[in-house]
Amino acid sequence: KNQVEQSPQSLIILEGKNCTLQCNYTVSPFSNLRWYKQDTGRGPVSLTIMTFSENTKSNGRYTATLDADTKQSSLHITASQLSDSASYICVVTPEAGTALIFGKGTTLSVSS
Amino acid sequence: GAGVSQSPRYKVAKRGQDVALRCDPISGHVSLFWYQQALGQGPEFLTYFQNEAQLDKSGLPSDRFFAERPEGSVSTLKIQRTQQEDSAVYLCASSLEVTGGSVTGELFFGEGSRLTVL
Repeated sequence: KNQVEQSPQSLIILEGKNCTLQCNYTVSPFSNLRWYKQDTGRGPVSLTIMTFSENTKSNGRYTATLDADTKQSSLHITASQLSDSASYICVVTPEAGTALIFGKGTTLSVSS
Repeated sequence: GAGVSQSPRYKVAKRGQDVALRCDPISGHVSLFWYQQALGQGPEFLTYFQNEAQLDKSGLPSDRFFAERPEGSVSTLKIQRTQQEDSAVYLCASSLEVTGGSVTGELFFGEGSRLTVL
């Protein structure tokens, strides 16, 4: 079983709409939780990093939340743009060890 | 350079060939990571260097995989006797900060090297 599960697997929304992506994890204890955006054929680019004590972190139209009690995180995208079409990956950093644990990602398609 | 640079971007190898993938991290970044990303999957950890020391190679899938970073900057991932299951994108990432054994800082990824084994 994956230690980082993301849902939905894929999502299609209209330009201008909002959406929320989910991440459930079992990694414990953990140091931080990250969200990355990966365009097709490119490397992942960091959106947010939250330590276990943080509840929310924003980066422009992207807002990530973290509930360490329920081991859930979400990424909310506001007023989506065509350029938001990409894979969004949730990543958990274990407290010990350098092997970050990646989810499989949610593929978001924004259409006009 | 301004970012993490990887080469080649694309590599096609016949089964059984050896390949070498290069990573140029961001200047001054002491930490360097290699990840393997299969189609439709998230990246999976292969190995980690702090300067020239390979501190974690627990993710290397077999002894056909070998990585080095002899001078603490450029790193090479070598795959010997390639197999079809080695086909994937190999991502390199670098970071300034690893604190207490945990990756606490920003991780910057290269564009990846896409390996196709026929």
